[in-house]
Amino acid sequence: NAGVTQTPKFQVLKTGQSMTLQCAQDMNHNSMYWYRQDPGMGLRLIYYSASEGTTDKGEVPNGYNVSRLNKREFSLRLESAAPSQTSVYFCASTRPPGEQYFGPGTRLTVT
Amino acid sequence: GENVEQHPSTLSVQEGDSAVIKCTYSDSASNYFPWYKQELGKGPQLIIDIRSNVGEKKDQRIAVTLNKTAKHFSLHITETQPEDSAVYFCAASGTGGGADGLTFGKGTHLIIQP
Repeated sequence: NAGVTQTPKFQVLKTGQSMTLQCAQDMNHNSMYWYRQDPGMGLRLIYYSASEGTTDKGEVPNGYNVSRLNKREFSLRLESAAPSQTSVYFCASTRPPGEQYFGPGTRLTVT
Repeated sequence: GENVEQHPSTLSVQEGDSAVIKCTYSDSASNYFPWYKQELGKGPQLIIDIRSNVGEKKDQRIAVTLNKTAKHFSLHITETQPEDSAVYFCAASGTGGGADGLTFGKGTHLIIQP
């Protein structure tokens, strides 16, 4: 039981490049989330998926897209990376009514 | 939506002393309050939680208290040890955090001084 896994662990992009962050969970949870974490800002919700086939915007969705590929996988895509998207990205899944389990994070730098 | 305020942002205590971190929330409908510990370079990990029908919960050296009337909850760590050094986040279930409604505080950096 690996919990929540994320790939890659580290990534450096140039402005304008695109990339997809991958997330998978093996706990059979319905809900999955993408957060970004910046110094002094805590965890801010980008997108979430309440169940397979549904996605919704969170607090800071601009510049991102998501895909809930199946119950296990939830990916986050940056179509045209900007320096403001330099951050640590966490994926999480939830066992109701709110116990969230986080992955190890992806550290992204956009130059 | 829900708003969660967390204080202090940094807390330094001597090893063996107690540490208290406080959070307030705005949505009176919130009914679930977890605490997360994040060690350097890792994802947040759930350490304790409390639901609105309970006033206090303990797990060894960690306890959480909830005052629904005042809309605040606190994390208490007794007999602090070096491995308690980390960033701690509180959260509340409300309407702003997604399908399961978790909204996070901005975190407290706890430093245990030897």
